[in-house]
Amino acid sequence: KAGVTQTPRYLIKTRGQQVTLSCSPISGHRSVSWYQQTPGQGLQFLFEYFSETQRNKGNFPGRFSGRQFSNSRSEMNVSTLELGDSALYLCASSLPAVGTEAFFGQGTRLTVV
Amino acid sequence: SQELEQSPQSLIVQEGKNLTINCTSSKTLYGLYWYKQKYGEGLIFLMMLQKGGEEKSHEKITAKLDEKKQQSSLHITASQPSHAGIYLCGADHEGTGGFKTIFGAGTRLFVKA
Repeated sequence: KAGVTQTPRYLIKTRGQQVTLSCSPISGHRSVSWYQQTPGQGLQFLFEYFSETQRNKGNFPGRFSGRQFSNSRSEMNVSTLELGDSALYLCASSLPAVGTEAFFGQGTRLTVV
Repeated sequence: SQELEQSPQSLIVQEGKNLTINCTSSKTLYGLYWYKQKYGEGLIFLMMLQKGGEEKSHEKITAKLDEKKQQSSLHITASQPSHAGIYLCGADHEGTGGFKTIFGAGTRLFVKA
């Protein structure tokens, strides 16, 4: 079956702009999590969605938001971009239970200039 | 994440040598995952451990979860250049809306041919 698909793969934005990233999970997976990865901070948890509801949220400012659609596809949005938002954004899908592996997409590399 | 400490941060080994990466949690681990990542790409699932004392192997990689379920180790035997990459441990920790999977900062492995 098809894996987790993230679009776009690469993105360059200017400070102050906003950006929307997309994630299509594996068919049947209703839980989608988003992570930000930077060299300095490692892989940081942003939020998790299940059945169109945000279940968990990490320690990120309100500029970072997300949503999930009825077909489990998810988007995350970052408004008023800052240089520090430059990172690899990873999406993972899984079955909504503890002790189940998460499948990751290839990520979206966001560069803010 | 400070909740999951990985050591060492980076490792350079000669091809054919063995190595060990450690992952320590500040909380009881309900599920412990090991992933491998090539630079700028998504994470590839290696193994999952749930029970205290559990040990799993895949090819030349062995992972163990200690009895108290707060520490795990990943051991690679007879390392090869194909083992190079970033190794991340992940764990299910309880969040406000249920469990979320968080990750350590990763261990960057270089294998010298």
